Amino acid sequence: DQQVKQNSPSLSVQEGRISILNCDYTNSMFDYFLWYKKYPAEGPTFLISISSIKDKNEDGRFTVFLNKSAKHLSLHIVPSQPGDSAVYFCAASARGGADGLTFGKGTHLIIQP
Amino acid sequence: GAGVSQTPSNKVTEKGKYVELRCDPISGHTALYWYRQSLGQGPEFLIYFQGTGAADDSGLPNDRFFAVRPEGSVSTLKIQRTERGDSAVYLCASSLMGGGRGRGTEAFFGQGTRLTVV
Repeated sequence: DQQVKQNSPSLSVQEGRISILNCDYTNSMFDYFLWYKKYPAEGPTFLISISSIKDKNEDGRFTVFLNKSAKHLSLHIVPSQPGDSAVYFCAASARGGADGLTFGKGTHLIIQP
Repeated sequence: GAGVSQTPSNKVTEKGKYVELRCDPISGHTALYWYRQSLGQGPEFLIYFQGTGAADDSGLPNDRFFAVRPEGSVSTLKIQRTERGDSAVYLCASSLMGGGRGRGTEAFFGQGTRLTVV
């Protein structure tokens, strides 16, 4: 049973517009959430994280929103740029640290010129 | 080097053979993790080291998989009697510290070793 779900395998967005990537989770013990970005033939790169005590965290063009009651989080990228084209993984931890992360299957974001 | 280094980058082996995958973490990082990513899936947690000891090996799929980190730096993931289902990208990551409330110490991943069992 998948505890972290990214239901959109791919998403296409026009350059300059907002990209919204969604993630749902089922384990109510998760208390720390992260987004990773992955280019082909490279390892995942940390993007942004959020603790369950917050509902929003912002870093430049990237904002993560957390809705604990709905067990849902989303990553907003605005404005979208061609270099944002990559696979984005949502990950969660029940221990508040970086160990033992549970990942979703990823969403392939394609930024159209 | 500045980042996590994994060798080899690609490994093709025959079913039933033994393989070793190496990970050089970022210097000074005490926590080290192994993940496995199968085609179309996200990374799947295998094992976590804090220093020389395995703090959590609950993700190892069976006793054919074993990992060591004898000096608290380089780690080796060992797979015995490989099966075709072991084919995946094996990712290593390290962080400055880990375990419990390690907030803010995100894991840095290597580029992975692509293992193909034929």
